[in-house]
Amino acid sequence: GAVVSQHPSWVICKSGTSVKIECRSLDFQATTMFWYRQFPKQSLMLMATSNEGSKATYEQGVEKDKFLINHASLTLSTLTVTSAHPEDSSFYICSVLAGGPGETQYFGPGTRLLVL
Amino acid sequence: LAKTTQPISMDSYEGQEVNITCSHNNIATNDYITWYQQFPSQGPRFIIQGYKTKVTNEVASLFIPADRKSSTLSLPRVSLSDTAVYYCLVGDPGGYQKVTFGTGTKLQVIP
Repeated sequence: GAVVSQHPSWVICKSGTSVKIECRSLDFQATTMFWYRQFPKQSLMLMATSNEGSKATYEQGVEKDKFLINHASLTLSTLTVTSAHPEDSSFYICSVLAGGPGETQYFGPGTRLLVL
Repeated sequence: LAKTTQPISMDSYEGQEVNITCSHNNIATNDYITWYQQFPSQGPRFIIQGYKTKVTNEVASLFIPADRKSSTLSLPRVSLSDTAVYYCLVGDPGGYQKVTFGTGTKLQVIP
């Protein structure tokens, strides 16, 4: 399957600052990537679908101006949490939509964000 | 999107075979069934995927009955390292697989 990396693996920031998280597809050219958020002891929640060369599609309730997504190349998508607040503290995970009959998603290792 | 229902948690002793069943009554014709494993503070890891009947790989088997309204992930001879949350996902592959994660099943393997 596709190998996906995320950077950084964890980040601590002050309230009001912006944080950028990178998601890279290391061995697969990903036209479509997804961004998820996971709070402690909860399941993954899809935030947005990132399409290479076009605007991201956000899920209902996710503020597009707060969570900026840029998918500028087939191997890189970035999520920027703007003006972060403590309630944005979470585990952010990206995935790439790979090929094959089932169009499987392969996930990155995740990024832990803590906003103080 | 097909909704999935799984047991919240399961316990098993080491060396036992574990079967986790997922219900997906409104699965669509084009939907595939995919299972993922997630350890704490890690991204989900792909385990197995199938469309119908039985699929087996080096780590698990997936059983899908003819009506495809459920599926069973079978883990042979589990070890402590198999303690994790297991998610069953159902999605349409048609070039754009947007899936919804359910609650998952927390498997606890006991020594």
